[in-house]
Parts: sequence; C-alpha cells; structure tokens
Amino acid sequence: KQEVTQIPAALSVPEGENLVLNCSFTDSAIYNLQWFRQDPGKGLTSLLLIQSSQREQTSGRLNASLDKSSGRSTLYIAASQPGDSATYLCAVNTGNQFYFGTGTSLTVIP
Amino acid sequence: GAGVSQSPSNKVTEKGKDVELRCDPISGHTALYWYRQSLGQGLEFLIYFQGNSAPDKSGLPSDRFSAERTGGSVSTLTIQRTQQEDSAVYLCASSLYSVGSGNEQFFGPGTRLTVL
Repeated sequence: KQEVTQIPAALSVPEGENLVLNCSFTDSAIYNLQWFRQDPGKGLTSLLLIQSSQREQTSGRLNASLDKSSGRSTLYIAASQPGDSATYLCAVNTGNQFYFGTGTSLTVIP
Repeated sequence: GAGVSQSPSNKVTEKGKDVELRCDPISGHTALYWYRQSLGQGLEFLIYFQGNSAPDKSGLPSDRFSAERTGGSVSTLTIQRTQQEDSAVYLCASSLYSVGSGNEQFFGPGTRLTVL
C-alpha cells in the first residue's frame, strides 16, 4: 500500500523567507501528485498538479518538483507571506485513489 | 455551480442515529470521491464514483457506511447507527475525468460531523 510522508510536521518562518516543504511516497508507480493547502475549518484548495511525466510545475511564488524514481516531491514557496499560513498537503494518485500525507502546518510570522 | 458544495456544513447527532451527508460536484465532473479527516489525522479515502461504473467502496470502514450517486451528479453519504468514533470532517471532491487519467481534484468545504 502506498504511504505518503510529509516532513516537517510543522514549520514556523519569518515573513519574506523562502521555504521548502517535503513529501515522500513509497511506491513510484503514480499517475500524478497534487499539492493542496487547507485553512483551519476549511476544505482543501488545489495548488499544483504534477503529472508523472513532468519534473516541476510553477504557479506564482510556488514551485513544485517531482522525482518519481526516488519517491519525492518538494513544494518551494518564495518570499513567504503571513497569508501563506496554512496546512499543506500532498497527495499521490495511483489510479484508483489518492493517498494523502498528514500535512505540514506552516506559520509565517509577520 | 462554481465549485463543489456540501451540506450541511455542521451536523451534531446522537449516538445510534443515522445521518446523511450531501455533495454536489462541479457540473460536468464525472468522478466523485468521499474522504474522512479525523482530528490530527490525514485524509482517509472512503469511496470513489466514476461515471456510471460500480463505485470503489474499498475505503468504507464498516457496513454502517454507504454512498449513492444519483444521475451521475449529486452524491449522498449515509452513516447508520452513528458511533462517537465517526466524528470527523467528511470531505467530498470531484474531478473532470477518472483518477487514472491524471485529473485534478477539487474539494468541497466539508461537513463537520459530531456524534455525542
């Protein structure tokens, strides 16, 4: 069974810093990987979707990379802002299901 | 609609009662998923619908849980004889095509279920 791990579980950074969130998965046979953010008491908002054939995707200050063979993805956030504070989840698609990590709780301190 | 909607947003019920949770996917999306998020836990897959195919029920935790999707659109998740451990946020998501085609999931705001 696919297992998805996110490290660190929590991260606190001062505003303006660049940061990297990590996601690792045990089975490299995936169709794609998706990054989400979740604000307290809310549903999930899709940030980036990387297909298995792609190496990275960019949206604004966000850049997600995928190394399928090593079972790793990173989410890079540039010039962090207090509004980036949220829980960030990664999920891998194995064909029938998405398997989610437990998330990284990010706090950006003004 | 513009996004996935779920109702009710909050549900408080007594142990042993049945509850129904509703999900309206994005119009035209053929795939629909239900997940459960317990406090401090990751998302747990429950069930997946793709078009008119038989649903993938492999994630349902017990036979007290069931789900239907009528007309390939709205879905209802039913929990019978609720237990306190059923308390969680139930999230619904939809995607344009099946998961295997590599399509993006869009989530609703969730229903917070509390079983007293």
